[in-house]
Amino acid sequence: DVVMTQSPLSLPVTLGQPASISCRSSQSLVHSDGNTYLNWFQQRPGQSPRRLFYKVSNRDSGVPDRFSGSGSGTDFTLKIIRVEAEDVGVYYCMQGTNWPYTFGQGTKLEIK
Amino acid sequence: EVQLVESGGSLVQPGGSLRLFCEASGFTFSSHWMHWVRQAPGKGLEWVSFINIDGSTKAYADSVKGRFTISRDNAKNTVYLQMNSLRAEDTAVYYCVRTLLGASGWWGQGTLVTVSS
Repeated sequence: DVVMTQSPLSLPVTLGQPASISCRSSQSLVHSDGNTYLNWFQQRPGQSPRRLFYKVSNRDSGVPDRFSGSGSGTDFTLKIIRVEAEDVGVYYCMQGTNWPYTFGQGTKLEIK
Repeated sequence: EVQLVESGGSLVQPGGSLRLFCEASGFTFSSHWMHWVRQAPGKGLEWVSFINIDGSTKAYADSVKGRFTISRDNAKNTVYLQMNSLRAEDTAVYYCVRTLLGASGWWGQGTLVTVSS
């Protein structure tokens, strides 16, 4: 199975400051069809997960543009240019290139 | 409005069976791949199973293969997860998810399955 490794696992951030989460896969996520199936999800406390990005950098509807997704191959990054209070929660990356789909361990973002 | 409503979760003894339901509305159900993803209490997310638009292709996590069966009824806009030989480690909130990889992804609110004697 493809192992997804996120860092850091805990991310204290001051309001208005930037934040960055890294996600590395144990093998390339480039599919034979040419796409890279790497998603990012946000799970706020007490809520269902919500997808933020699919295929690395395609922003889902309603996701603020202060969020961005980037990367290629085995290294991917989720960035928030200015953290707001509503961004508190756990962030997960997920690969859908190989069966079974696998998630990272999650990164807990909190406000300092 | 897109809705995915899961039901069927409950307390069940080890070795028992349970059938989960996910009723979809607000979109063309038959045009979307559907998935089940679970989350054990206080833990991360685990993909469980997928079914394609007509039910001809399915896939399972190794942890549930041979015990769980996914199916769908496009006439009823419903996807099912039949869970047999349940174990304590199957205790989790089970989420129904539309389209994990492409545009128009959506998650339900989840249903809690507790396996305990």
